[in-house]
Amino acid sequence: DQQVKQNSPSLSVQEGRISILNCDYTNSMFDYFLWYKKYPAEGPTFLISISSIKDKNEDGRFTVFLNKSAKHLSLHIVPSQPGDSAVYFCAASDTDKLIFGTGTRLQVFP
Amino acid sequence: DTAVSQTPKYLVTQMGNDKSIKCEQNLGHDTMYWYKQDSKKFLKIMFSYNNKELIINETVPNRFSPKSPDKAHLNLHINSLELGDSAVYFCASSARDRGYTFGSGTRLTVV
Repeated sequence: DQQVKQNSPSLSVQEGRISILNCDYTNSMFDYFLWYKKYPAEGPTFLISISSIKDKNEDGRFTVFLNKSAKHLSLHIVPSQPGDSAVYFCAASDTDKLIFGTGTRLQVFP
Repeated sequence: DTAVSQTPKYLVTQMGNDKSIKCEQNLGHDTMYWYKQDSKKFLKIMFSYNNKELIINETVPNRFSPKSPDKAHLNLHINSLELGDSAVYFCASSARDRGYTFGSGTRLTVV
């Protein structure tokens, strides 16, 4: 039973445009959500997070939106850059553990 | 300085052997974790330690035994390795208000 789902295994976006990565979850007890970025042969790197009491958090080119009623969150990257090409993991926390989605591979092409 | 370091980066070993993966963090975090990334790229938690105490032990065979000698270290010892243990293992540490920091992973291949 996968509590955190990323239904798009891959996404291809042109440089300069917006990348939108989606994530759905099933457990309404999750209170903290995170996005991680992972390059090949490296560990996931924390990117941005959001508490369940907020609906938006912005950090530079990255914005995370949380829709609690829909149990959905998304990561917006604008403008997208070739260096953003990586696998992005959504993760949710229920106090003492982190549950990851399966990841979405983003490719930003020139 | 590497914040979360795990060694070795690659480990190839035969079935039935016993091996250990070491993890150290210099971030002063209280909680450390071991995650397993399977062939489908899914990251799944195995263990979590808080201040040297085990707080999470997911459904993991008892051939896997974590050891935390101090707050900065969480090692993973695996007995009687099986083919299905082949995966990438990630160590991580966390302080709630600062998110999680992952090591670069250990690719274990059992032959």
